[in-house]
Amino acid sequence: DVKVTQSSRYLVKRTGEKVFLECVQDMDHENMFWYRQDPGLGLRLIYFSYDVKMKEKGDIPEGYSVSREKKERFSLILESASTNQTSMYLCASSLVLRTSEQYFGPGTRLTVT
Amino acid sequence: AQTVTQSQPEMSVQEAETVTLSCTYDTSESDYYLFWYKQPPSRQMILVIRQEAYKQQNATENRFSVNFQKAAKSFSLKISDSQLGDAAMYFCAYRRKGNTPLVFGKGTRLSVIA
Repeated sequence: DVKVTQSSRYLVKRTGEKVFLECVQDMDHENMFWYRQDPGLGLRLIYFSYDVKMKEKGDIPEGYSVSREKKERFSLILESASTNQTSMYLCASSLVLRTSEQYFGPGTRLTVT
Repeated sequence: AQTVTQSQPEMSVQEAETVTLSCTYDTSESDYYLFWYKQPPSRQMILVIRQEAYKQQNATENRFSVNFQKAAKSFSLKISDSQLGDAAMYFCAYRRKGNTPLVFGKGTRLSVIA
């Protein structure tokens, strides 16, 4: 079974802090994704990566950056956390196939105070 | 840009009954893929069912089936014999051809009443 893990289930940070959210997948998937999930807004794509060191901006990249130094790991970085970044963050991975589904991690609920 | 609309923020169904969740999407593509994902409370999102746009036949997975109407750009999910474990957020998602990310709807919260 594919496993996507995220470094923390719950995280509380202060405004202005630099925050790292880590995601690891164990199935050699080429693609990895970061979403944020907010009530009433569904899932919105922040960034995705289709290969090591490659990244593409999603719908809401402002205030975020990403890093993918190894195929299995995709990090989301909040350079200076703000209260409007309080949210659930979901990581996902997939193969490069026509009908490939995305496999999701358990999510990190981030609160910025 | 492609958009996915789920017009029912919340739905409820009696246990053992059938419920249909609606999804419409907007695209100018002819080849694409559609998905329904389920997110149980405090649990990971999992794939329920997928449909390839070029296939006429509606996809079926056990108690879950879709009604894919390509011309109407509609992709509804039918859950038969609803069970308590079906209670979850359901997200409809679209992906166009190629190595592209999913576009999600805003979700429908399904409650199952015993």
